[in-house]
Amino acid sequence: EAGVTQFPSHSVIEKGQTVTLRCDPISGHDNLYWYRRVMGKEIKFLLHFVKESKQDESGMPNNRFLAERTGGTYSTLKVQPAELEDSGVYFCASSQPSGSSNEQFFGPGTRLTVL
Amino acid sequence: AQSVAQPEDQVNVAEGNPLTVKCTYSVSGNPYLFWYVQYPNRGLQFLLKYITGDNLVKGSYGFEAEFNKSQTSFHLKKPSALVSDSALYFCAVTLQGYKLSFGAGTTVTVRA
Repeated sequence: EAGVTQFPSHSVIEKGQTVTLRCDPISGHDNLYWYRRVMGKEIKFLLHFVKESKQDESGMPNNRFLAERTGGTYSTLKVQPAELEDSGVYFCASSQPSGSSNEQFFGPGTRLTVL
Repeated sequence: AQSVAQPEDQVNVAEGNPLTVKCTYSVSGNPYLFWYVQYPNRGLQFLLKYITGDNLVKGSYGFEAEFNKSQTSFHLKKPSALVSDSALYFCAVTLQGYKLSFGAGTTVTVRA
């Protein structure tokens, strides 16, 4: 069974540019999450999809971040325009349809560097 | 609100010695607790979880963790560490359902 995949693995952009990160969850996982780890600090929750619906986006830092999950399959996270403080590792995770106790399966992350 | 603290940035042990990675949490209800491990250039891998029941939870690769409600702790342990256990370990808690709150991570180095 394929795990959670993320693309790209690394992205280096300049301040003011736009970047789009992609996440493909494990097949059949209705729950999809985005997290971010900045500067070696704790991993912080960004948002949670159930299928194509945003269940919780309380962790999104500001309106420069836009997440979508069209059709309830893969998800994209767009940062526009990027700022220096957006640098970090963006993780995507997915979990099975039912139960909050189900463990989340994480992708390898996208390392974003904003210069 | 929910939060997790991992008081040690780094833990260094010799191969064959016991390994303990500390985690304390703060929530206002009954938590679900998790341990994840991250190897270089890899995603986070699930190790074990506590939901309810027996306070001692066994997980992957010989790891176990003990839930202590009175001390609000969920320390990760391994009786005999291996060099291959060297990695970054994260403790996480969820109370509100699906949103995980993570600690800052503990880097474990096991020397041969």
